[in-house]
Amino acid sequence: DFVMTQSPDSLAVSLGERATINCKSSQSILYSSNNRNYLAWYQQKPGQPPKLLFYWASTRQSGVPDRFSGSGSATDFTLTISSLQAEDAAVYYCQQYLAAPYTFGQGTMLEIK
Amino acid sequence: QVQLQESGPGLVKPSQTLSLTCSVSGASITSGNNLWSWIRQPAGKGLEWIGQIYADGTTKYNPSLKSRVTISVDTSTNHFSLNVSSLTAADTAVYYCAGGLFRYSEWWGHGTLVTVSS
Repeated sequence: DFVMTQSPDSLAVSLGERATINCKSSQSILYSSNNRNYLAWYQQKPGQPPKLLFYWASTRQSGVPDRFSGSGSATDFTLTISSLQAEDAAVYYCQQYLAAPYTFGQGTMLEIK
Repeated sequence: QVQLQESGPGLVKPSQTLSLTCSVSGASITSGNNLWSWIRQPAGKGLEWIGQIYADGTTKYNPSLKSRVTISVDTSTNHFSLNVSSLTAADTAVYYCAGGLFRYSEWWGHGTLVTVSS
């Protein structure tokens, strides 16, 4: 199985500041045939299902604010929130979908400082 | 707008089989591009991918659960289902059904809490 490891496990960031969450895959999730990274990012707030933020590592889902960005390739990926808003407090998960089982990272809890 | 809704028992006894249904509206279960998944989350913990079914009925399962899990579709009612056998307390979790145009999940149900207890 592909093991997805996120860092940090939690972070606290002040409103308006930048938040960065990392995701590392145990194997490359870059598929050479189409040069796509098979990585998604989700946001989950308490009592709610996860919400898709990005797929193909950097393609923003419709309706996601552009202060969110996804980057990276092969084994190392980053989710960045450029200017943190109060509503961004949540747990964030990465998921690889190159090979079943489509494993998730352990999650990163983002709090407002 | 695609909407998913899980239904099933909230309490199941150990060793029994859990059966959950996900009703889909706004999209066809059998549309060639759609994939349907089950994902679970124990209280206070992370997400675990259980398995996925394609429109043609092809399934993929998490090997950690494979021998106990079956996912199927019912085209007549536009829903898909999850069966998990030989339940233990470790299967207690919120179970989500989800779907999308590829292997990631863009549509999610609200989740249903399943407790395994005698």
